[in-house]
Amino acid sequence: GEDVEQSLFLSVREGDSSVINCTYTDSSSTYLYWYKQEPGAGLQLLTYIFSNMDMKQDQRLTVLLNKKDKHLSLRIADTQTGDSAIYFCAENSGGYQKVTFGTGTKLQVIP
Amino acid sequence: GAVVSQHPSWVICKSGTSVKIECRSLDFQATTMFWYRQFPKQSLMLMATSNEGSKATYEQGVEKDKFLINHASLTLSTLTVTSAHPEDSSFYICSASGTSGKYNEQFFGPGTRLTVL
Repeated sequence: GEDVEQSLFLSVREGDSSVINCTYTDSSSTYLYWYKQEPGAGLQLLTYIFSNMDMKQDQRLTVLLNKKDKHLSLRIADTQTGDSAIYFCAENSGGYQKVTFGTGTKLQVIP
Repeated sequence: GAVVSQHPSWVICKSGTSVKIECRSLDFQATTMFWYRQFPKQSLMLMATSNEGSKATYEQGVEKDKFLINHASLTLSTLTVTSAHPEDSSFYICSASGTSGKYNEQFFGPGTRLTVL
């Protein structure tokens, strides 16, 4: 089956950049996503990237994809306290729409 | 953007009772809805996928007689936890995809916290 792994915890100071990493095993992944979950809430889609791209930038967010190494990262520039949350990467092989989520990285932003 | 609601947001019930959780797509037609379960400090575990008017497809290890899913319309899916037990206590999240969004995007509900005493 598919596995999606992330480091559990990341702590950064306000104003610094955060980089959250993710590795996946399914080489047929078509779309890769980053979701944000605030305490006690559902998931919010932050951004996504097609598997044929290697970078996507969206305001403070930069997604890098290394398909050869099956490695995905999310960089948050100028991290703010409001960015404190759990971040999930996810992959989808298309068609069936089944999305496999990573283990989640808790981002703590220190004022 | 597309909005998905869940009701109730939290519920406490006695062991042995059944609990129904509703998931609604408010401003789009959800051809497919997904039910997830999330344990504390853990990732989301997909329980089942349902297409409107069809039987749900359950993931391996999920008891279909325990977790009844109905997707009777393009805007509503329900999850019924039958004869609930304390080990069923969890955060249940639904998501929906369909006529809104792109690229298999799923829109998530805010979740329902179930506590079984």
